[in-house]
Amino acid sequence: EVLLVESGGGLIQPGGSLRLSCVVSGSNVNSNYMSWVRQAPGKGLEWVSTLYTGGNTYHADSVKGRFTISRDNSKNTLYLQMDSLRVEDTAVYYCARALDYWGQGTLVTVSS
Amino acid sequence: QPVLTQSSSASASLGSSVKLTCTLSSGHAYYFIAWHQQQPGKAPRHLMKLESSGTYNKGSGVPDRFSGSSSGADRYLTITNLQSEDEADYYCETWDSNSHLIFGGGTRLTVL
Repeated sequence: EVLLVESGGGLIQPGGSLRLSCVVSGSNVNSNYMSWVRQAPGKGLEWVSTLYTGGNTYHADSVKGRFTISRDNSKNTLYLQMDSLRVEDTAVYYCARALDYWGQGTLVTVSS
Repeated sequence: QPVLTQSSSASASLGSSVKLTCTLSSGHAYYFIAWHQQQPGKAPRHLMKLESSGTYNKGSGVPDRFSGSSSGADRYLTITNLQSEDEADYYCETWDSNSHLIFGGGTRLTVL
């Protein structure tokens, strides 16, 4: 069974940084494309970033230049480095394997 | 780039059937999509991938009550013998030519 477990969320001030982690079990983090998707309170799903098996990365325009997706194959873990955080980045962040398996999410709150 | 349009809400009675629609924007009728279910307070769950031909592949553990179909630019999710646990938000999703993931706005299904 594939299991994704996110961590690293919390309360952060605007302009601050956070790194989210997603530990993958039952699958290799580099054997499928992996994505981060977020959901602001009361809103729908919004794609954030994707990392392909070959290493290509893609980010939504709303986070480009501020967020970076990466992985550590030895730790079977996906990361999302979030810099220059804004109030509008407040959301539950989900990692997903090829969008056929989702983690339970981690809440990021950006507020002063 | 494709746009996915979903009705904001739908309702049906317990034990009945419902057909949810996701419409692809003009010029993108050949795109495949995926359907995801999000029960209240939970993470999204992958339901199926659905091709323009109507062929669909369901995710692990998805009940037989869930099926997909296509007609032109419309992609459908049909749920038969509605259960209380089917009350949820349903999202469709696809990719654009820049490898960016796109979500529809979601349909909130109420089981009466």
